[in-house]
Amino acid sequence: DGGITQSPKYLFRKEGQNVTLSCEQNLNHDAMYWYRQDPGQGLRLIYYSQIVNDFQKGDIAEGYSVSREKKESFPLTVTSAQKNPTAFYLCASRSGGGTYEQYFGPGTRLTVT
Amino acid sequence: GQNIDQPTEMTATEGAIVQINCTYQTSGFNGLFWYQQHAGEAPTFLSYNVLDGLEEKGRFSSFLSRSKGYSYLLLKELQMKDSASYLCAVRDSGDYKLSFGAGTTVTVRA
Repeated sequence: DGGITQSPKYLFRKEGQNVTLSCEQNLNHDAMYWYRQDPGQGLRLIYYSQIVNDFQKGDIAEGYSVSREKKESFPLTVTSAQKNPTAFYLCASRSGGGTYEQYFGPGTRLTVT
Repeated sequence: GQNIDQPTEMTATEGAIVQINCTYQTSGFNGLFWYQQHAGEAPTFLSYNVLDGLEEKGRFSSFLSRSKGYSYLLLKELQMKDSASYLCAVRDSGDYKLSFGAGTTVTVRA
């Protein structure tokens, strides 16, 4: 089945450690996105990539980094510089036709203590 | 930038109708999406409007007025499984980025 996978579902880290969240899609979509979701707030865009080997900062990129070496993969690294890393992280990819809607992965809930 | 407003919470009875409003002020507009999100899960696509008017899809309908910066999502014949958060999202006219409202949590009561 085509879709987006994120792993793990739950992730726990100590403060000061970098952590990488994975996102893989087999939908053959060019564009991919990372969002952060906090209680009572809408999804906020961290980084996005419209094509392999290219990515742009979103609205809240500070403390995060990404890479896009393969079309299928768009990993997100939460660095120790991110002041409030505990959140629900959602990865999405966008269809290249029709409504150009975004499809979301199941999310990773990161807890940093 | 985008400013998107929707009510925080709504409660309705099973079998009833609920209308979730969304107003937006944007620097560019290339469509409005509604997504459903159950707690702890991924948002799933419900509807898309780019022209003024009503789009109907089964029990769900969505309306758009571009001149008023206004949309609503109408949920009919409510079922318990419709209890979820409903996200309004506006697409930028430039690079297809989405800006999301904070979401409306709908609770369906028996």
